[in-house]
Amino acid sequence: GNSVTQMEGPVTLSEEAFLTINCTYTATGYPSLFWYVQYPGEGLQLLLKATKADDKGSNKGFEATYRKETTSFHLEKGSVQVSDSAVYFCALSDKGANAGKSTFGDGTTLTVKP
Amino acid sequence: DAGITQSPRYKITETGRQVTLMCHQTWSHSYMFWYRQDLGHGLRLIYYSAAADITDKGEVPDGYVVSRSKTENFPLTLESATRSQTSVYFCASSEGRTERGGEQYFGPGTRLTVT
Repeated sequence: GNSVTQMEGPVTLSEEAFLTINCTYTATGYPSLFWYVQYPGEGLQLLLKATKADDKGSNKGFEATYRKETTSFHLEKGSVQVSDSAVYFCALSDKGANAGKSTFGDGTTLTVKP
Repeated sequence: DAGITQSPRYKITETGRQVTLMCHQTWSHSYMFWYRQDLGHGLRLIYYSAAADITDKGEVPDGYVVSRSKTENFPLTLESATRSQTSVYFCASSEGRTERGGEQYFGPGTRLTVT
């Protein structure tokens, strides 16, 4: 079956530091890949996505590239802010007739200190 | 407003009581999901539904019941609440078998405490 493995947290960074959160996956075929963000007290919201190999998803300064050869989708941001403190989830979903359900990683908690 | 809503947002109940958590979405998404989120466990899928009148078990279905008589509603019932069901519950929806089918849209959550 499908699975997603995320870098274990928590991660603590100083403001303006570079962020990488690793995500690797196991899936049959070529799934769509997602990063979700959960701010304190809220539900998850989609941060970015990529639907095919070599696609780069980006939003709010965050980026992730769909790497088929390494089955990875690492999240990066060049300069984090205190407001980026949240839990980040990597996820995948099959396409076409099997789309709908997703497989989520365990989440990585990021704390950014001023 | 359009979107996905959950009610109540907070609930305290006693062991053995029945409690129902409500979920409503206005997009006519075919898929709906219930997750629970506990510290150290990430998200765990309880039940999901691919369409009205079609439901299926997820990873942790024991002690929960769902129904989906209308596309927009997906209530979750704890038939006899236990302390181990104290958690934050999230409802989500997705379009299903479309190009955007993999994206899920989450409600704000219900924080349930069983005493």
